[in-house]
Amino acid sequence: GNSVTQMEGPVTLSEEAFLTINCTYTATGYPSLFWYVQYPGEGLQLLLKATKADDKGSNKGFEATYRKETTSFHLEKGSVQVSDSAVYFCALSDKGGGGNKLTFGTGTQLKVEL
Amino acid sequence: DAGITQSPRYKITETGRQVTLMCHQTWSHSYMFWYRQDLGHGLRLIYYSAAADITDKGEVPDGYVVSRSKTENFPLTLESATRSQTSVYFCASKGQGVNTEAFFGQGTRLTVV
Repeated sequence: GNSVTQMEGPVTLSEEAFLTINCTYTATGYPSLFWYVQYPGEGLQLLLKATKADDKGSNKGFEATYRKETTSFHLEKGSVQVSDSAVYFCALSDKGGGGNKLTFGTGTQLKVEL
Repeated sequence: DAGITQSPRYKITETGRQVTLMCHQTWSHSYMFWYRQDLGHGLRLIYYSAAADITDKGEVPDGYVVSRSKTENFPLTLESATRSQTSVYFCASKGQGVNTEAFFGQGTRLTVV
């Protein structure tokens, strides 16, 4: 079956530091890949996505590249801000699966300090 | 207002009671989902629906019942609540296509005592 593995958190960084959150996946087909973000007390919202190999998704300074050869979709940001503190979820949607279901990783909490 | 709303936001109930969590979306999205969020487990799919009157089990369906008589509503019922069902529950909806974005409600924090 499909699965997503994310690095354990929490990740604590100083403001303006470089961020990487690792994500690898297992899927039977060729999935679409997503990063969702959850701010405290809120639901999840889409941060970025990539729908095929070598695609790069980007939004709000965050980037992630769909690497089929390493089955990875690592999230990066060059300079984090305190407002980026949230929980980040990697997810996949399998084109071969039923129901357009999203499979999520366990989430990685990011804390950014001044 | 357009969007996806869940109610209630917070609920405390006793073991053995029946509880229904409500979810309503205004986009006429085909797909709707119920997830539970627990520390160390991330989001786990409970049930999903591809259209009105079409539902299917997800990863952790035991102890839950869903129905979808109208496209816009997708209630989740805990038939006899247990402490292990204490969690934060999220409803989501999305349109057709695996590349489309899922939209999430703000969640319902359920405590079973």
